[in-house]
Amino acid sequence: KQEVTQIPAALSVPEGENLVLNCSFTDSAIYNLQWFRQDPGKGLTSLLLIQSSQREQTSGRLNASLDKSSGRSTLYIAASQPGDSATYLCAVPGGGGATNKLIFGTGTLLAVQP
Amino acid sequence: EAQVTQNPRYLITVTGKKLTVTCSQNMNHEYMSWYRQDPGLGLRQIYYSMNVEVTDKGDVPEGYKVSRKEKRNFPLILESPSPNQTSLYFCASRGQALGSNQPQHFGDGTRLSIL
Repeated sequence: KQEVTQIPAALSVPEGENLVLNCSFTDSAIYNLQWFRQDPGKGLTSLLLIQSSQREQTSGRLNASLDKSSGRSTLYIAASQPGDSATYLCAVPGGGGATNKLIFGTGTLLAVQP
Repeated sequence: EAQVTQNPRYLITVTGKKLTVTCSQNMNHEYMSWYRQDPGLGLRQIYYSMNVEVTDKGDVPEGYKVSRKEKRNFPLILESPSPNQTSLYFCASRGQALGSNQPQHFGDGTRLSIL
């Protein structure tokens, strides 16, 4: 059974710092891994999707890496800003080849202090 | 603008009073799904639909019903709501039913409180 874990559960950094959020998964047979951002009172916004054949994806100040063999992904945020404050979630398609659902980690709550 | 729209955004109701949360997407997506989000448990799938008239249970389907009569709409029905269904609910869609490498798009969520 696929399980997704995110560490740390919460993180507070001063503005301008570079930071790394971690995501680990137990079943390495994944099709892809998706990173989301969730703002209070809002839905989930898709940030990056890394396919299983890729090592990393970049979008602006965000860079996500994927190491299937070790069951890990990281989300790197460069030059953090207060507007980056949110909960960040990673998710993989259901285990055993099932793609009909996403299995989510419980998220990392990020606070960027001005 | 591509959107997944849920209504209502907030609802407080009482045990046993039937309610429906609507979900509509304007992207002609085949796949739609409902999740609930609870503290410490994360997001868990309730039901999903691979296309019109094709629905199936997710991990926590008890107490819920869904229908998919049209491609754009996927309502979530609570026939007899109970307090343990108090949660934050999200609808999601994806272009192709078997599009495993396509991102899922989420609505803004519906916060339900069942008293």
